Amino acid sequence: QLVLTQLPSASASLGASVKITCTLSSGHSSYAIAWHQQLPEKGPRYLMKVDSDGSHNRGDGIPDRFSGSSSGAERYLTISSLQSEDEADYYCQTWATGIHDVIFGGGTKLTVL
Amino acid sequence: EVQLVESGGGLIQPGGSLRLSCAASGFAVSDNLMTWVRQAPGKGLEWVSAIYSGGSTSYADSVKGRFTISRDRSKNTMFLQMNSLRAEDTAVYYCARDRESSGFPDSWGQGTLVTVSS
Repeated sequence: QLVLTQLPSASASLGASVKITCTLSSGHSSYAIAWHQQLPEKGPRYLMKVDSDGSHNRGDGIPDRFSGSSSGAERYLTISSLQSEDEADYYCQTWATGIHDVIFGGGTKLTVL
Repeated sequence: EVQLVESGGGLIQPGGSLRLSCAASGFAVSDNLMTWVRQAPGKGLEWVSAIYSGGSTSYADSVKGRFTISRDRSKNTMFLQMNSLRAEDTAVYYCARDRESSGFPDSWGQGTLVTVSS
């Protein structure tokens, strides 16, 4: 079964960098994922797609402070030069080949200290 | 500019029906894979349903047989007809576009709240 696992919380200081991890379940390490940001009380916002080789494709208007990478079954979102407005929930997402159902990780709440 | 605006949410009794709308601008709904995703209070995102450019549809097991996704080309709008509503359907419902039909929504609306309660 395809499952995405995220730690529920992360924190980092203003101006620092943070790396958020999304882990694909066993047997699914070749899957691409997407990262979505959800600011408090707002709808989600697409950040980027991250492929298994680590290549990533940012969405329109997403600053290059946001980057993606991969290692095995893990997909990463790195945010550099953290700003207060980066404080949000971050969700990874993929889709199930064949049935085309969208699957989300549980989300990681980022706190900027 | 791509814009998605949901409407139609509200307070409804268990067993009732509601129809949500997602009005799009900046692109044609019928040319894209469109998706409904919901978020229960304090919880994460949950995929609900999708309609493909060719017209085929897909549903999460939790709503299959109760919800129906559709679209109107002339209104450039997508809909979600929700019947036999349950308390566990209470959530903010978001519509999203998947421009490349890749399985990755790239534009989202702001959501509409559905509360199922007596």
